[in-house]
Amino acid sequence: DAGVTQSPTHLIKTRGQQVTLRCSPKSGHDTVSWYQQALGQGPQFIFQYYEEEERQRGNFPDRFSGHQFPNYSSELNVNALLLGDSALYLCASSLGVITGNTIYFGEGSWLTVV
Amino acid sequence: DAKTTQPPSMDCAEGRAANLPCNHSTISGNEYVYWYRQIHSQGPQYIIHGLKNNETNEMASLIITEDRKSSTLILPHATLRDTAVYYCIVRVHGTGNQFYFGTGTSLTVIP
Repeated sequence: DAGVTQSPTHLIKTRGQQVTLRCSPKSGHDTVSWYQQALGQGPQFIFQYYEEEERQRGNFPDRFSGHQFPNYSSELNVNALLLGDSALYLCASSLGVITGNTIYFGEGSWLTVV
Repeated sequence: DAKTTQPPSMDCAEGRAANLPCNHSTISGNEYVYWYRQIHSQGPQYIIHGLKNNETNEMASLIITEDRKSSTLILPHATLRDTAVYYCIVRVHGTGNQFYFGTGTSLTVIP
């Protein structure tokens, strides 16, 4: 049973560029969320996708956008990269959006903006 | 904002029980308490969660006070591999997967 998988694991981008990160949820899960974790801090919620729609959004600018595909996989896109976007980006999946369901995280994608 | 308060760091001797406290005094009646841990900036690993009753699984036990304003995660026999940052999270009702992570407790298991 595959868990949450993310790609790429590491990448380096230049300020001003755009990046796309990918996530496949755990088998049987249909809800995907994205988190940003800066060094030394806890993860910060970016947004959640369910039924191919953005359902919840944290305090992140519109440069951060996403998409969910019919197979429940998801992408996180960040435009006009800033140095401060350097972080570990985590994908989490669950079944539905009902409070009480267990959420599982992937190993993350390390983004470095230079 | 995080709705939980945890000590920033704790030590525990290998083989002893590690008791990690968490305060969540503003928790509402239908909010769950979740515990995750993160090792070397890998993805957070699910440990356990509960609503009212105490819970136990193969990894840990979760003790929730009767008023639900605090809880304790117990690792019964800590090993060196349990060294990690432990996050106590209250899941906000009605907002799906939106977890508010605080800064967690950095647990160091000492040989």
